[in-house]
Amino acid sequence: DARVTQTPRHKVTEMGQEVTMRCQPILGHNTVFWYRQTMMQGLELLAYFRNRAPLDDSGMPKDRFSAEMPDATLATLKIQPSEPRDSAVYFCASGLASTGVNTEAFFGQGTRLTVV
Amino acid sequence: GENVEQHPSTLSVQEGDSAVIKCTYSDSASNYFPWYKQELGKGPQLIIDIRSNVGEKKDQRIAVTLNKTAKHFSLHITETQPEDSAVYFCAASMNAGNMLTFGGGTRLMVKP
Repeated sequence: DARVTQTPRHKVTEMGQEVTMRCQPILGHNTVFWYRQTMMQGLELLAYFRNRAPLDDSGMPKDRFSAEMPDATLATLKIQPSEPRDSAVYFCASGLASTGVNTEAFFGQGTRLTVV
Repeated sequence: GENVEQHPSTLSVQEGDSAVIKCTYSDSASNYFPWYKQELGKGPQLIIDIRSNVGEKKDQRIAVTLNKTAKHFSLHITETQPEDSAVYFCAASMNAGNMLTFGGGTRLMVKP
């Protein structure tokens, strides 16, 4: 069945290390979102792609975070260097937004990141 | 930008009772309002959504109402069951498929 796949599901890393999270959106979807979930801030939008082009990354700390879509089947979120305050669950979601056709956003299972 | 407020943050009900969660939004251009349910260790899953050309939508025990003038929308769950226990999020956006602004979430606990 169609679903958004995220890897890894869990990641523990030391402060200062690079972290890369991957997302495979649902085939045929043209929008991809990265959200971060913490107890304090809830669900925050980090980045938004449409047709692989970044449309909004205003929620992302630019000095250490970067998001890319190398192709239509892969989205990546990278943190370099990681810090303890980056510890959170990172969700990827995909959807379809085009003239006359829209679907809701489907979420992956998330990557739980712990930076020690 | 859009701002979505959600209340209450926690809600405890007896099995069989109804639960109501309310949200307000700030941007009158928003026209798509989904509700997501998040169970422990999982990603949010859509349970119902409503578009601004509709005032109410129902799906079995779940209903959503929208008041565009007042810019608020609500989730109603009737005959609650223990498996309804989860965190519920409201959200708003301009059209489905576009970026969502989420409310802070409501932790619903249904006591058997």
